[in-house]
Amino acid sequence: DAGVTQSPTHLIKTRGQQVTLRCSPKSGHDTVSWYQQALGQGPQFIFQYYEEEERQRGNFPDRFSGHQYPNYSSELNVNALLLGDSALYLCASSVGTQPQHFGDGTRLSIL
Amino acid sequence: KQEVTQIPAALSVPEGENLVLNCSFTDSAIYNLQWFRQDPGKGLTSLLLIQSSQREQTSGRLNASLDKSSGRSTLYIAASQPGDSATYLCAVPGGYNKLIFGAGTRLAVHP
Repeated sequence: DAGVTQSPTHLIKTRGQQVTLRCSPKSGHDTVSWYQQALGQGPQFIFQYYEEEERQRGNFPDRFSGHQYPNYSSELNVNALLLGDSALYLCASSVGTQPQHFGDGTRLSIL
Repeated sequence: KQEVTQIPAALSVPEGENLVLNCSFTDSAIYNLQWFRQDPGKGLTSLLLIQSSQREQTSGRLNASLDKSSGRSTLYIAASQPGDSATYLCAVPGGYNKLIFGAGTRLAVHP
């Protein structure tokens, strides 16, 4: 049974570009949360998707958007990339109030 | 606003030592607290989850305690090994299945 899978593993972009990160949740999970982890910091909550709708959102600008598909997989989109967007982006899936399971993340570097 | 602080930020110890990692939170109205391990460039692995009704949770050489009234949790690692080297993060719920993390304690155990 595969856990949470994220793609790509690493990504290099330049300032001003747009990026899409993908996440497949653990089998049986219907909720996907996204976190941003800057170097040396703890993960910061970006937003959460449930039933194809954004259910919660953290303190991130509108440049960060997402989507959830009927099969529960999710995408994180970031527009107009800034140097400060360089981070490890983590996806977590869950069902109900059960603990979240995390993927290995996508390392995004902005040049 | 919930804030989570972890002390120390970094720790370097010889193999065999017993360790205590500290986590404090500002809002005691939590229903659980979770400890995670993160290897460099990797995702998060859940180590222990303590419900608010519990005071301790144990898994192998790991023991976590929770004192809601004082806003503190400790992770005790017995007989540390080089394989324990990683970053340890604590997290509390900040909304419906959204987690608020501390910045972590980076642990290095040398032979």
